[in-house]
Formats: sequence, C-alpha cells, structure tokens
Amino acid sequence: GEDVEQSLFLSVREGDSSVINCTYTDSSSTYLYWYKQEPGAGLQLLTYIFSNMDMKQDQRLTVLLNKKDKHLSLRIADTQTGDSAIYFCAAANNAGNMLTFGGGTRLMVKP
Amino acid sequence: NAGVTQTPKFQVPKTGQSMTLQCAQDMNHNSMYWYRQDPGMGLRLIYYSASEGTTDKGEVPNGYNVSRLNKREFSLRLESAAPSQTSVYFCASSERTSTGELFFGEGSRLTVL
Repeated sequence: GEDVEQSLFLSVREGDSSVINCTYTDSSSTYLYWYKQEPGAGLQLLTYIFSNMDMKQDQRLTVLLNKKDKHLSLRIADTQTGDSAIYFCAAANNAGNMLTFGGGTRLMVKP
Repeated sequence: NAGVTQTPKFQVPKTGQSMTLQCAQDMNHNSMYWYRQDPGMGLRLIYYSASEGTTDKGEVPNGYNVSRLNKREFSLRLESAAPSQTSVYFCASSERTSTGELFFGEGSRLTVL
C-alpha cells in the first residue's frame, strides 16, 4: 500500500519562510493534500494539488510537486506564530475517497 | 453549523471493557471514516464506510467494529479495550468528489487502563 513520509519537526523564526517536505510511494496517487492540525483540534484542509500539476499557489502557501521523485513540499511565506501547528501530508487513491497520511511535521515558529 | 460531531471527547475504560465512540455529520456526505492518531505515526485508517449500508476495513481494523447506522451516523466499537488502543480517535466524512477532501471531528481521547 501507499507509504507517506515526513520529517518530524521544523523550527523557524517569525517572518522567515518554512518548507515542509513529504515523500510518497504510490505513483498513481491522484490528489495530494496538506492538512493542518492545531492543538486539541481535528485536521483541516489547507490546500491540495492534482497529480498533473507541478505547482499551486494560494496566498502565502506554495505547493510544489515533483511527480518523478514522488516528492511534495509546502512552503509558507512570511511564517507567523499562528502557523505553529502539525502539518500532515496525505495522498489519495485513484478513487479519491481514501487518504494515506504521513506522520506529521510539527512546525514551531519562534517570535 | 456543526460539521462532524464526536462523543465522548474523553474516556478512560478499563482493560476488557467494551465501549462505543459515536460520530455524526450534518453535511449529507456519503463517506465516513474512523482514524486513530498516535504520536509520530500520523493518522491510520481503522474502518470506513463509502456509503450508507457499507463498511470496509482500513489499515488497522483488529479489535474494532463499526456500524453505519444511517447516512449521518457512524459508530466505532471496542469490544474488549486493550492498552494498545490508547489513542486519539478521529471521525471524518467526505463527499465522493474527485478532490476527496475530508472533514474531521475534534477527536475522542481514549486512555485504556
């Protein structure tokens, strides 16, 4: 089955850019997602990218997809303390109704 | 606008006790899911229900059962709770669209003594 890997932890200073990386194994994954989890809460969808796209930009968020290397990244520009959370990468199956999640990257933003 | 509602939020069963986690969604979604979240392991799918009347095993179904009571409700049952089932459980729902976006509840924290 699909395997999704992420680094566990990232620390940045307020105002810097953050880059969170993710790798996946199933080249037939149709959609790839970034979810955000704040303390004590469920996950919320941040953004997603279809597998035939290389890049997607949404305000401060930029998603880059390298399909050949099965590598996905999330860049947060001008990172704020409110961006401190756990970020999960997820890959969808062909039907788009089942997601496999990575272990999550805890982003800490220092003032 | 409730979205996905889970009850209870916290539970502390003893080893061997049975218990049920309840989930309800008000978005008229067809698909519902139960995940467990453990530190460093992300979310792992326990069971899912693609539509009312159907259920399927996910990655870690052992020790659990589910019931899709109607389109709104999807419950998760631990027949005989074990310490290895100590976790945070999330219910989610989605419409069967091509984007497959999941909407999550706030989670149920279970500690098995």
